[in-house]
Amino acid sequence: GENVEQHPSTLSVQEGDSAVIKCTYSDSASNYFPWYKQELGKRPQLIIDIRSNVGEKKDQRIAVTLNKTAKHFSLHITETQPEDSAVYFCAAREGGGNKLTFGTGTQLKVEL
Amino acid sequence: NAGVTQTPKFQVLKTGQSMTLQCAQDMNHEYMSWYRQDPGMGLRLIHYSVGAGITDQGEVPNGYNVSRSTTEDFPLRLLSAAPSQTSVYFCASSYSVLDTQYFGPGTRLTVL
Repeated sequence: GENVEQHPSTLSVQEGDSAVIKCTYSDSASNYFPWYKQELGKRPQLIIDIRSNVGEKKDQRIAVTLNKTAKHFSLHITETQPEDSAVYFCAAREGGGNKLTFGTGTQLKVEL
Repeated sequence: NAGVTQTPKFQVLKTGQSMTLQCAQDMNHEYMSWYRQDPGMGLRLIHYSVGAGITDQGEVPNGYNVSRSTTEDFPLRLLSAAPSQTSVYFCASSYSVLDTQYFGPGTRLTVL
């Protein structure tokens, strides 16, 4: 089955700096890669996703890049703000199947 | 729209007891899934369903049963609770695995 590795497990940045979280996946047929944000005590919520026919997608301060050859994708957050502090999960949908496999999460802390 | 609802919010069980975690959605979503969240391990898929009458196993199905008799409901049954099942359980729904997963508020389960 699909295996998703996520790094780093914790990330601390200064307000206004950029943050990058990286994920690798094992199934070369995987074709859908969402990112979820989970604030403390809350449920996960989708922030951005990308499909395998696209190399990059942006939504305001958030962007995701996908490298199918290397089988990795990354979340980029620019101009970080305190409200960006949360746990971020990447995920990959196994090729042709109906399972979504999540990474182990990155605790992002934005310091003032 | 209530979205995805889960009951109970908290539950304490003794080893060997059985119980059912309830999940319901009012968005007419075909795809529903159950995850458990443990520290440092991300969200792990237990079972999922692509429509009424259809269920399949995820990454960690042992000790859990599901059924999907209606589009709206997707209960998760713990057959004989074990301390290893202490976790936070999230139910999610979406139109398909390729669409935004809407998570419920979660159930915090402790097995003594």
